[in-house]
Amino acid sequence: GAGVSQTPSNKVTEKGKYVELRCDPISGHTALYWYRQSLGQGPEFLIYFQGTGAADDSGLPNDRFFAVRPEGSVSTLKIQRTERGDSAVYLCASSLTGLAGGSDTQYFGPGTRLTVL
Amino acid sequence: SQKIEQNSEALNIQEGKTATLTCNYTNYSPAYLQWYRQDPGRGPVFLLLIRENEKEKRKERLKVTFDTTLKQSLFHITASQPADSATYLCALEGDMRFGAGTRLTVKP
Repeated sequence: GAGVSQTPSNKVTEKGKYVELRCDPISGHTALYWYRQSLGQGPEFLIYFQGTGAADDSGLPNDRFFAVRPEGSVSTLKIQRTERGDSAVYLCASSLTGLAGGSDTQYFGPGTRLTVL
Repeated sequence: SQKIEQNSEALNIQEGKTATLTCNYTNYSPAYLQWYRQDPGRGPVFLLLIRENEKEKRKERLKVTFDTTLKQSLFHITASQPADSATYLCALEGDMRFGAGTRLTVKP
């Protein structure tokens, strides 16, 4: 079946603007993760959903970042008052059962490249 | 705080040789550790998972070891091929902290 998809693939915005990044996980996967990856670095954990609820949002850098998953499927990462330092690739991953299920493989999407001018 | 280090940013080897990548961690005792491959412009792809009670795991030309005393995992690719060129990431279980990755280049 289809893998994890993310839209848009690229987003260019101006400093101070609001952006939304979308993630469509693999159908049936209960867990969804958001990461941020800067050039030359590994993915940095942001938030993890188990179903509709955020099970762990400890990675969100500040209150400008917010994510929702209202129906337990698609998720949206929202960034308010964007700053140049927010420029990165935002990756989404999904897994069948999540961290509560033990060693659960994550399947990553291709990412959204966000550029804040 | 927890820290993950991968031995080098880049590793260049000749085709046919064995590539060995290192992942070290501190201030943590993971129940398992995972290795991922990432190609440019793509998300990471899961390769192997090794648990704390497993010393070694193999998958085709890949081999992973896990030494909980040294707090280290080694990732080996035998008979390397140019198609193996990519960035390889290790990640600790739990809150999925990733290392910075090692960019492997296999030259023909």
